[in-house]
Amino acid sequence: DIQMTQSPSPLSASVGDRVTITCRTNQSIDNLLNWYQLKPGKAPKVLIHGASNLLKGVPSRFSGSGSGTQFSLSIDSLQPEDFATYHCQQSYTSLWTFGHGTTVEVK
Amino acid sequence: QVHLQESGPELVKPAETLSLICAVSGGSMSSSNWWTWVRQAPGKGPEWIGEIYHTGTRNYSPSLSSRATISVDKSKKQFSLRLTSVTAADTAVYYCATTYYYQTLSGRRAGFFDQWGQGTLVTVSS
Repeated sequence: DIQMTQSPSPLSASVGDRVTITCRTNQSIDNLLNWYQLKPGKAPKVLIHGASNLLKGVPSRFSGSGSGTQFSLSIDSLQPEDFATYHCQQSYTSLWTFGHGTTVEVK
Repeated sequence: QVHLQESGPELVKPAETLSLICAVSGGSMSSSNWWTWVRQAPGKGPEWIGEIYHTGTRNYSPSLSSRATISVDKSKKQFSLRLTSVTAADTAVYYCATTYYYQTLSGRRAGFFDQWGQGTLVTVSS
């Protein structure tokens, strides 16, 4: 199985900050990396697919980059609704795996 | 765009069977969606359980394939998960979702979990 390692966790930030979350894999997955936002009691939301492609309806302050084994998710000008847990997920192999998550919390 | 809603018992005894239903609204069960189950145990990342296509084709995680069964009932617009012989390690929030697949330029099959339900916490305890 492909192992996914996220950092940091948690990430303490304030409204208006720019934050970056990193996801590393133990083998190359090309650009087949997705990012999700999870909040307790709410349906998870896919934000980015293929490392850098923003899903329709996702605010443009979210961006993704990377390829191979290192990826990042950035949020420009953090908004109150962005405090949540973010997970990366690979679709390179037939068994898709997730990272443990990065919780963005109020500083 | 479909709406998904999980339902089922919140508490299951060890060695018994966990059964969940996902009600689908706002779309067709015969669309190109793969109907999927994902779970997240406390303190861990989400875990893919398995999926079913409207034709009945199923795929399961190797670690759960001996205990998991996913079925679809198009007439009721729902799909279900059964997980047998549960233990405390099966305590998790269970989500139903749809999987969107696409083919990359290099011919690899990739995708993402597109629509999700809000999840239901199932606790395995006596």
